[in-house]
Amino acid sequence: KAGVTQTPRYLIKTRGQQVTLSCSPISGHRSVSWYQQTPGQGLQFLFEYFSETQRNKGNFPGRFSGRQFSNSRSEMNVSTLELGDSALYLCASAVQGLGGVNEQFFGPGTRLTVL
Amino acid sequence: GESVGLHLPTLSVQEGDNSIINCAYSNSASDYFIWYKQESGKGPQFIIDIRSNMDKRQGQRVTVLLNKTVKHLSLQIAATQPGDSAVYFCAESGSARQLTFGSGTQLTVLP
Repeated sequence: KAGVTQTPRYLIKTRGQQVTLSCSPISGHRSVSWYQQTPGQGLQFLFEYFSETQRNKGNFPGRFSGRQFSNSRSEMNVSTLELGDSALYLCASAVQGLGGVNEQFFGPGTRLTVL
Repeated sequence: GESVGLHLPTLSVQEGDNSIINCAYSNSASDYFIWYKQESGKGPQFIIDIRSNMDKRQGQRVTVLLNKTVKHLSLQIAATQPGDSAVYFCAESGSARQLTFGSGTQLTVLP
């Protein structure tokens, strides 16, 4: 079974631009979560989508948004990029079970550099 | 607010020795805990999880211990190997179904 894939793997943008990152979850997984990883702040939760609906949201400004498609693929968008948005953006997928949180499988991440 | 922290940022062990990585959490409502391993250039990889109704769970060469009284989690790796060198994160989740990660411990296995 193929793992979580993220595209692109690397991205360089300049301040003020916007960016869209893509995530394809493991087949059959309906939950997709996004995280930002930086050396200073560690891994921080951005948001989670399930069945095309945002189910949870972390403490990030409105410049960070996302969506999920009917095939469970997800995209996240960051508008008006700032230098501090430089980070590794990780996507994780999970099977929605009855017990609540399930094991999350992470993709390799997209390394975003803002100049 | 909720936070998950690690006691030590770095840990060096001799190959073949056992490793113990510790983690403290502050949200008493957390009911699910996970350990992840992250190698350079890769996303976090699931190692083992434990629910709050348990205090110990074993996997292959790994054991997770949960002490809810003091809100402490530990990961024990038996017979540590060079391939175990990585950053290890603990994470916790409550009813919100989102994971809160600790800051990570860099494990280095010495030859």
